[in-house]
Amino acid sequence: EVQLVESGGGLVQPGRSLRLSCAASGLTFHDYAMHWVRQAPGKGLEWVSGISWNGRSTDYADSVKGRFTISRDNAKNSLYLQMNDLRAEDMAFYYCAAGYGTGRATVCDYWGQGTLVTVSS
Amino acid sequence: EIVLTQSPGTLSLSPGERATLSCRASQRVASSYVAWYQQKPGQAPRLLIYAASSRATGIPDRFSGSGSGTDFTLTISRLEPEDFAVYYCQQYGNSPFTFGPGTKVHVK
Repeated sequence: EVQLVESGGGLVQPGRSLRLSCAASGLTFHDYAMHWVRQAPGKGLEWVSGISWNGRSTDYADSVKGRFTISRDNAKNSLYLQMNDLRAEDMAFYYCAAGYGTGRATVCDYWGQGTLVTVSS
Repeated sequence: EIVLTQSPGTLSLSPGERATLSCRASQRVASSYVAWYQQKPGQAPRLLIYAASSRATGIPDRFSGSGSGTDFTLTISRLEPEDFAVYYCQQYGNSPFTFGPGTKVHVK
């Protein structure tokens, strides 16, 4: 059974940083591109960032470009999202998702249950 | 950035009825890389359809997708009680890989 477990969410002040992690199991991690998708409470889905299987290609939504950095460690079956200069509009549930394929243009086949990031002073 | 528009925003139907959901892109989606997801309250989204018309593993055949270019459709042939949910389309052909705003299918 594929499991994606996010961690690292919590309450943070505006302008501060937070690092999210996603631990993957039940799949051959390096066969999958990985994504972060967020959802503000009661709102729709927003794709945030994606990374290819080997970490060499990354993409970002315009709303987070220059502030967020996605990375992965295939030896640890883990995905990360470093979030800097957090703003109120970044407050959301952050989902980790896996998409089969070597490129970064993949769907989100598997999803974690999400971790909540709250940005407030 | 490709902007996706979903219509209708809300669909009121009864179990057994047919649901037709639309997703329109602001520009052509490369390789028909459009996916559809279902999300129920308190749950993560679930992949239903990828590449516009291919069903994901384990998805019942009452779900079907079609379309190309800028216009895509998700059809649920006969609604089951568990199908009442929010449905999102996503394009993953051009970065950033944007989602539509969703269509809520609720019980009439």
